[in-house]
Amino acid sequence: DAKTTQPPSMDCAEGRAANLPCNHSTISGNEYVYWYRQIHSQGPQYIIHGLKNNETNEMASLIITEDRKSSTLILPHATLRDTAVYYCIARLKTSYDKVIFGPGTSLSVIP
Amino acid sequence: GAVVSQHPSRVICKSGTSVKIECRSLDFQATTMFWYRQFPKQSLMLMATSNEGSKATYEQGVEKDKFLINHASLTLSTLTVTSAHPEDSSFYICSARDLLSGGPDTQYFGPGTRLTVL
Repeated sequence: DAKTTQPPSMDCAEGRAANLPCNHSTISGNEYVYWYRQIHSQGPQYIIHGLKNNETNEMASLIITEDRKSSTLILPHATLRDTAVYYCIARLKTSYDKVIFGPGTSLSVIP
Repeated sequence: GAVVSQHPSRVICKSGTSVKIECRSLDFQATTMFWYRQFPKQSLMLMATSNEGSKATYEQGVEKDKFLINHASLTLSTLTVTSAHPEDSSFYICSARDLLSGGPDTQYFGPGTRLTVL
């Protein structure tokens, strides 16, 4: 899996968009960018993934740069319940793949 | 999405005893389950990959004789912490891969088990 780099922490005002960056400059052509989050004392939760096109689901949007060296997870209207550690992971979408977690970004949504 | 459960959610035990943690996929079959450990303010660390019907594959530095893993069915994997000591106190999380799903990410995580060894 390619190495990813994220800021250790970020703050976001409630109701505003939270933009979480991730650098993955060594990502290979067949590695996807996955985002998970972990709310305190809970198991991780899958958010979204993408290869090269921007993706959107009911939770978030994922913007991947054209050169695929970085991406941004966007929570359009952050709520207090979005306070969590967000993990950006680059990995192959193959059978029996294991998810290796980096330190992630601790997002605090502030009232 | 699919649901993974863990039991117990919290356990306190005395030093030297063994503790068993169960991980179940409730509505799907999982040939592969993963066990993670998480210390306070740290990220998840993969301990081992549990394969149904075969021996688990342990990550470097994880003692296989201390952390016994059994994956006897397609819906159940167990992690037994043998002769637990205070340094084994941690948050243990399992994940399971949906065998049949062709969807995007087919790995689902359990809610975790908080182990405290006195």
